[in-house]
Amino acid sequence: AQSVTQLDSQVPVFEEAPVELRCNYSSSVSVYLFWYVQYPNQGLQLLLKYLSGSTLVKGINGFEAEFNKSQTSFHLRKPSVHISDTAEYFCAVSEAGGYQKVTFGTGTKLQVIP
Amino acid sequence: DAGVIQSPRHEVTEMGQEVTLRCKPISGHNSLFWYRQTMMRGLELLIYFNNNVPIDDSGMPEDRFSAKMPNASFSTLKIQPSEPRDSAVYFCASSFPSGSQGNEQFFGPGTRLTVL
Repeated sequence: AQSVTQLDSQVPVFEEAPVELRCNYSSSVSVYLFWYVQYPNQGLQLLLKYLSGSTLVKGINGFEAEFNKSQTSFHLRKPSVHISDTAEYFCAVSEAGGYQKVTFGTGTKLQVIP
Repeated sequence: DAGVIQSPRHEVTEMGQEVTLRCKPISGHNSLFWYRQTMMRGLELLIYFNNNVPIDDSGMPEDRFSAKMPNASFSTLKIQPSEPRDSAVYFCASSFPSGSQGNEQFFGPGTRLTVL
């Protein structure tokens, strides 16, 4: 079974500053990794995903994440945040090639301060 | 494609009443998931189906909850009788066959349930 840990429940950051949202996972097999974003009163939508290949993954809205197998991490970064990035971000993991169950982290609320 | 469709978007009911939530997955997806989201518990997986067959229902809170998927294009989540603690946002998600798109899930807009 796999698990995901998002250590930061809330991250405040000033507009135009960089941000990193941390995610660590645990699994005994190869995994797929995801970051989803949830804006207020909406469903989750995919930001980016890592399936294989390059460990640096670029997503929508200027976000990127780096897969680090040795540290079992998949941290999300953005060099300069905007007010519109205020949302909750979920890291998720799925067993590669297995049933499509995806395990979600507890979420990190990003608050961008003007 | 219209994406995952859920209905109703909002439901207000009284304790003891039956509630039925509906979901239409994206055409071609063969897995369907029901989640519940609350402030206290976060996002919880209730049940998921693969090719219309329930694979894991260990997240269903109790016997008051039941889910069906009679065909590839429709699923329901029923709560009978409903209780105030069932108040939450319920999401439906679907995904492509395993190995394709890396199990990426596509979420519907959710149903906000309030039980008075």
